[in-house]
Amino acid sequence: SQKIEQNSEALNIQEGKTATLTCNYTNYSPAYLQWYRQDPGRGPVFLLLIRENEKEKRKERLKVTFDTTLKQSLFHITASQPADSATYLCALDSGTASKLTFGTGTRLQVTL
Amino acid sequence: DTAVSQTPKYLVTQMGNDKSIKCEQNLGHDTMYWYKQDSKKFLKIMFSYNNKELIINETVPNRFSPKSPDKAHLNLHINSLELGDSAVYFCASSQADGGGYTFGSGTRLTVV
Repeated sequence: SQKIEQNSEALNIQEGKTATLTCNYTNYSPAYLQWYRQDPGRGPVFLLLIRENEKEKRKERLKVTFDTTLKQSLFHITASQPADSATYLCALDSGTASKLTFGTGTRLQVTL
Repeated sequence: DTAVSQTPKYLVTQMGNDKSIKCEQNLGHDTMYWYKQDSKKFLKIMFSYNNKELIINETVPNRFSPKSPDKAHLNLHINSLELGDSAVYFCASSQADGGGYTFGSGTRLTVV
Protein backbone atom coordinates (compact mmCIF):
# COMPACT_ATOMS: atom_id res chain seq x y z
CA SER A 1 0.00 0.00 0.00
CA GLN A 2 1.06 3.61 -0.49
CA LYS A 3 2.82 5.20 2.45
CA ILE A 4 4.30 8.60 3.20
CA GLU A 5 6.44 8.56 6.32
CA GLN A 6 7.84 11.43 8.32
CA ASN A 7 9.64 11.19 11.61
CA SER A 8 6.84 11.18 14.16
CA GLU A 9 9.15 12.22 16.96
CA ALA A 10 9.65 15.92 17.53
CA LEU A 11 12.89 17.44 16.31
CA ASN A 12 14.51 19.76 18.83
CA ILE A 13 17.33 22.01 17.65
CA GLN A 14 19.12 25.08 18.84
CA GLU A 15 18.58 28.50 17.27
CA GLY A 16 20.99 29.17 14.43
CA LYS A 17 21.47 25.50 13.50
CA THR A 18 20.15 23.84 10.37
CA ALA A 19 17.03 21.71 10.80
CA THR A 20 16.67 18.73 8.46
CA LEU A 21 13.36 16.93 8.13
CA THR A 22 12.85 13.71 6.20
CA CYS A 23 9.99 12.44 4.07
CA ASN A 24 10.08 8.88 2.72
CA TYR A 25 7.47 7.30 0.50
CA THR A 26 6.69 3.84 -0.85
CA ASN A 27 4.54 2.53 -3.69
CA TYR A 28 4.22 6.00 -5.13
CA SER A 29 5.25 7.70 -8.35
CA PRO A 30 4.75 11.35 -7.50
CA ALA A 31 4.75 14.00 -10.19
CA TYR A 32 5.66 16.48 -7.51
CA LEU A 33 6.18 16.85 -3.80
CA GLN A 34 5.19 19.74 -1.58
CA TRP A 35 6.09 20.92 1.90
CA TYR A 36 3.71 22.73 4.24
CA ARG A 37 3.94 24.35 7.64
CA GLN A 38 1.14 23.99 10.17
CA ASP A 39 0.85 25.97 13.40
CA PRO A 40 -1.49 24.88 16.22
CA GLY A 41 -5.11 25.78 15.47
CA ARG A 42 -4.32 26.88 11.91
CA GLY A 43 -4.52 25.38 8.44
CA PRO A 44 -1.40 24.17 6.61
CA VAL A 45 0.53 26.85 4.74
CA PHE A 46 2.25 26.02 1.45
CA LEU A 47 6.04 26.48 1.48
CA LEU A 48 7.68 24.81 -1.51
CA LEU A 49 6.93 22.53 -4.46
CA ILE A 50 9.50 20.37 -6.22
CA ARG A 51 8.83 18.36 -9.39
CA GLU A 52 10.00 14.83 -10.13
CA ASN A 53 12.63 16.06 -12.60
CA GLU A 54 14.10 18.56 -10.12
CA LYS A 55 16.77 17.65 -7.60
CA GLU A 56 16.73 20.74 -5.42
CA LYS A 57 14.69 23.88 -4.79
CA ARG A 58 15.48 26.86 -2.60
CA LYS A 59 13.47 29.70 -1.14
CA GLU A 60 15.17 32.08 1.27
CA ARG A 61 16.31 29.92 4.24
CA LEU A 62 14.48 26.84 2.97
CA LYS A 63 15.90 24.10 0.78
CA VAL A 64 14.17 20.96 -0.48
CA THR A 65 15.78 17.98 -2.19
CA PHE A 66 13.95 15.23 -4.03
CA ASP A 67 15.51 11.85 -4.77
CA THR A 68 13.09 9.66 -6.74
CA THR A 69 15.54 6.74 -6.64
CA LEU A 70 15.71 6.75 -2.85
CA LYS A 71 12.03 7.82 -2.72
CA GLN A 72 12.96 10.53 -0.28
CA SER A 73 12.74 14.28 0.18
CA LEU A 74 14.78 16.30 2.65
CA PHE A 75 13.61 19.68 3.92
CA HIS A 76 16.23 22.01 5.38
CA ILE A 77 15.79 25.22 7.33
CA THR A 78 19.09 27.06 7.71
CA ALA A 79 19.81 29.53 10.51
CA SER A 80 16.71 28.31 12.31
CA GLN A 81 14.77 30.65 14.58
CA PRO A 82 12.25 30.03 17.38
CA ALA A 83 9.58 31.37 14.96
CA ASP A 84 10.27 28.33 12.76
CA SER A 85 8.80 26.07 15.45
CA ALA A 86 5.78 24.33 13.91
CA THR A 87 4.71 21.03 12.37
CA TYR A 88 6.02 20.44 8.85
CA LEU A 89 4.09 18.24 6.46
CA CYS A 90 5.22 16.72 3.20
CA ALA A 91 2.65 15.88 0.55
CA LEU A 92 2.70 13.98 -2.74
CA ASP A 93 0.63 14.32 -5.88
CA SER A 94 0.75 11.77 -8.68
CA GLY A 95 -0.37 14.46 -11.10
CA THR A 96 -3.14 12.33 -12.60
CA ALA A 97 -5.86 13.68 -10.36
CA SER A 98 -6.38 16.52 -7.97
CA LYS A 99 -5.36 14.58 -4.90
CA LEU A 100 -2.59 15.70 -2.60
CA THR A 101 -1.75 13.05 -0.03
CA PHE A 102 -0.09 14.18 3.19
CA GLY A 103 2.44 12.58 5.49
CA THR A 104 1.94 12.52 9.24
CA GLY A 105 4.11 15.57 9.85
CA THR A 106 7.15 16.28 12.01
CA ARG A 107 7.05 18.76 14.84
CA LEU A 108 10.06 21.08 14.93
CA GLN A 109 10.99 22.93 18.11
CA VAL A 110 13.71 25.58 17.87
CA THR A 111 15.06 26.72 21.22
CA LEU A 112 17.20 29.71 22.19
CA ASP B 1 -8.67 39.71 2.68
CA THR B 2 -9.09 36.07 3.57
CA ALA B 3 -8.22 33.80 0.64
CA VAL B 4 -10.07 30.67 1.80
CA SER B 5 -12.67 31.25 4.46
CA GLN B 6 -14.76 28.61 6.16
CA THR B 7 -17.54 28.93 8.69
CA PRO B 8 -18.15 28.18 11.42
CA LYS B 9 -14.79 27.91 13.16
CA TYR B 10 -16.23 25.78 15.94
CA LEU B 11 -19.22 23.47 15.85
CA VAL B 12 -20.48 21.49 18.85
CA THR B 13 -23.49 19.31 18.22
CA GLN B 14 -25.27 16.21 19.42
CA MET B 15 -25.12 12.79 17.81
CA GLY B 16 -27.74 12.32 15.15
CA ASN B 17 -27.94 15.98 14.15
CA ASP B 18 -27.34 17.34 10.64
CA LYS B 19 -24.87 20.18 10.16
CA SER B 20 -23.22 22.15 7.37
CA ILE B 21 -19.83 23.80 6.96
CA LYS B 22 -19.40 26.52 4.34
CA CYS B 23 -16.28 27.37 2.35
CA GLU B 24 -15.50 30.20 -0.03
CA GLN B 25 -12.32 31.12 -1.91
CA ASN B 26 -11.54 34.43 -3.59
CA LEU B 27 -8.37 33.28 -5.37
CA GLY B 28 -10.00 32.34 -8.68
CA HIS B 29 -8.81 28.75 -8.24
CA ASP B 30 -10.43 25.99 -10.28
CA THR B 31 -10.25 23.20 -7.72
CA MET B 32 -11.52 22.96 -4.16
CA TYR B 33 -11.14 20.26 -1.53
CA TRP B 34 -12.31 19.04 1.82
CA TYR B 35 -9.76 17.43 4.15
CA LYS B 36 -10.30 15.86 7.56
CA GLN B 37 -7.63 16.08 10.29
CA ASP B 38 -8.13 13.58 13.09
CA SER B 39 -6.93 13.66 16.68
CA LYS B 40 -3.54 12.27 15.62
CA LYS B 41 -3.18 15.24 13.25
CA PHE B 42 -3.32 13.06 10.14
CA LEU B 43 -4.70 15.08 7.22
CA LYS B 44 -6.81 12.98 4.83
CA ILE B 45 -8.56 14.05 1.66
CA MET B 46 -12.32 13.59 1.52
CA PHE B 47 -13.48 15.30 -1.67
CA SER B 48 -12.09 17.20 -4.61
CA TYR B 49 -14.12 19.40 -6.97
CA ASN B 50 -12.94 20.96 -10.21
CA ASN B 51 -15.10 23.74 -11.60
CA LYS B 52 -18.15 22.53 -9.67
CA GLU B 53 -17.68 18.89 -10.69
CA LEU B 54 -16.81 16.10 -8.26
CA ILE B 55 -13.43 14.54 -9.11
CA ILE B 56 -12.53 12.60 -5.99
CA ASN B 57 -14.64 10.94 -3.32
CA GLU B 58 -12.30 9.10 -1.02
CA THR B 59 -14.60 6.39 0.36
CA VAL B 60 -16.31 8.85 2.62
CA PRO B 61 -19.62 7.68 4.15
CA ASN B 62 -22.58 8.94 2.15
CA ARG B 63 -23.70 10.86 5.23
CA PHE B 64 -21.20 13.43 3.95
CA SER B 65 -22.46 15.35 0.94
CA PRO B 66 -20.44 18.12 -0.64
CA LYS B 67 -22.12 20.74 -2.75
CA SER B 68 -20.48 23.28 -5.07
CA PRO B 69 -22.93 25.95 -6.28
CA ASP B 70 -20.11 27.69 -8.18
CA LYS B 71 -16.36 27.29 -8.46
CA ALA B 72 -15.74 29.71 -5.58
CA HIS B 73 -17.83 27.77 -3.05
CA LEU B 74 -17.70 24.23 -1.69
CA ASN B 75 -19.97 23.40 1.22
CA LEU B 76 -20.04 20.21 3.26
CA HIS B 77 -23.26 18.82 4.69
CA ILE B 78 -23.13 16.01 7.22
CA ASN B 79 -26.21 13.97 8.13
CA SER B 80 -26.76 11.88 11.25
CA LEU B 81 -23.57 12.96 12.96
CA GLU B 82 -21.60 10.30 14.84
CA LEU B 83 -19.00 10.58 17.60
CA GLY B 84 -16.30 9.48 15.15
CA ASP B 85 -16.99 12.51 12.96
CA SER B 86 -15.34 14.72 15.58
CA ALA B 87 -12.29 16.24 13.89
CA VAL B 88 -11.02 19.41 12.28
CA TYR B 89 -12.29 19.85 8.72
CA PHE B 90 -10.24 21.94 6.32
CA CYS B 91 -11.31 23.44 3.05
CA ALA B 92 -8.60 24.17 0.48
CA SER B 93 -8.23 25.36 -3.09
CA SER B 94 -5.65 25.23 -5.86
CA GLN B 95 -5.20 25.86 -9.55
CA ALA B 96 -6.08 22.83 -11.65
CA ASP B 97 -2.64 22.71 -13.24
CA GLY B 98 -0.90 21.95 -9.98
CA GLY B 99 0.77 24.13 -7.42
CA GLY B 100 0.41 24.76 -3.74
CA TYR B 101 -2.89 24.45 -1.96
CA THR B 102 -4.34 27.31 0.06
CA PHE B 103 -6.10 26.08 3.18
CA GLY B 104 -8.78 27.67 5.30
CA SER B 105 -8.32 27.97 9.04
CA GLY B 106 -10.41 24.88 9.75
CA THR B 107 -13.70 23.99 11.44
CA ARG B 108 -13.40 22.06 14.68
CA LEU B 109 -16.40 19.75 14.86
CA THR B 110 -17.21 18.13 18.19
CA VAL B 111 -20.00 15.58 18.33
CA VAL B 112 -21.26 14.84 21.86
